Amino acid sequence: GAGVSQSPSNKVTEKGKDVELRCDPISGHTALYWYRQRLGQGLEFLIYFQGNSAPDKSGLPSDRFSAERTGESVSTLTIQRTQQEDSAVYLCASSFRAAGGTEAFFGQGTRLTVV
Amino acid sequence: AQTVTQSQPEMSVQEAETVTLSCTYDTSESDYYLFWYKQPPSRQMILVIRQEAYKQQNATENRFSVNFQKAAKSFSLKISDSQLGDAAMYFCAYRSLGGSGGSNYKLTFGKGTLLTVNP
Repeated sequence: GAGVSQSPSNKVTEKGKDVELRCDPISGHTALYWYRQRLGQGLEFLIYFQGNSAPDKSGLPSDRFSAERTGESVSTLTIQRTQQEDSAVYLCASSFRAAGGTEAFFGQGTRLTVV
Repeated sequence: AQTVTQSQPEMSVQEAETVTLSCTYDTSESDYYLFWYKQPPSRQMILVIRQEAYKQQNATENRFSVNFQKAAKSFSLKISDSQLGDAAMYFCAYRSLGGSGGSNYKLTFGKGTLLTVNP
């Protein structure tokens, strides 16, 4: 596609349920990032994928969070047993090379609301 | 670890006027990239301008320019001839170039400045 695509755009879930968020990066982009944006806050790094290398999971806030990516394609972010503090916008970005001044292109995000 | 601080939660400007958004950062590295991203209500982050730290010349993109003061670790964004479409959240971001154990891929963001443009 022309840009980074995320689905769903909005998700409301009950506390304790699992959710899966999807990101389709720009074709050919080897790097993929997930960020979390809480209301009124900046972007908080969650996880980074670069090609077939082991992902950098250092930003995942707890073991309820996990993410997968097969090769240079779609990525899914899974949150298990959701809590109210997980409510946020989850943004995905991709870039051609993960270095320096390379621009990261962002999707429109998934707004997750845990009730 | 690098930190990015935007001290102005909100700013407003009259259409056609000039506004400056502030950003400071903390790092022990000598070379890095700095970015300004715009986030309109659609939520999609859009790159406005970037600056590599070793370049002394301030970056400019049409109506957008930066004032990069490396010694002061300051990276402000100036928007000239403000337009209604400039209204958005603006985020300052830092990216290391790696080396010395640095991670050259994470973008570290400030908390943002909400810019309102008044007609």
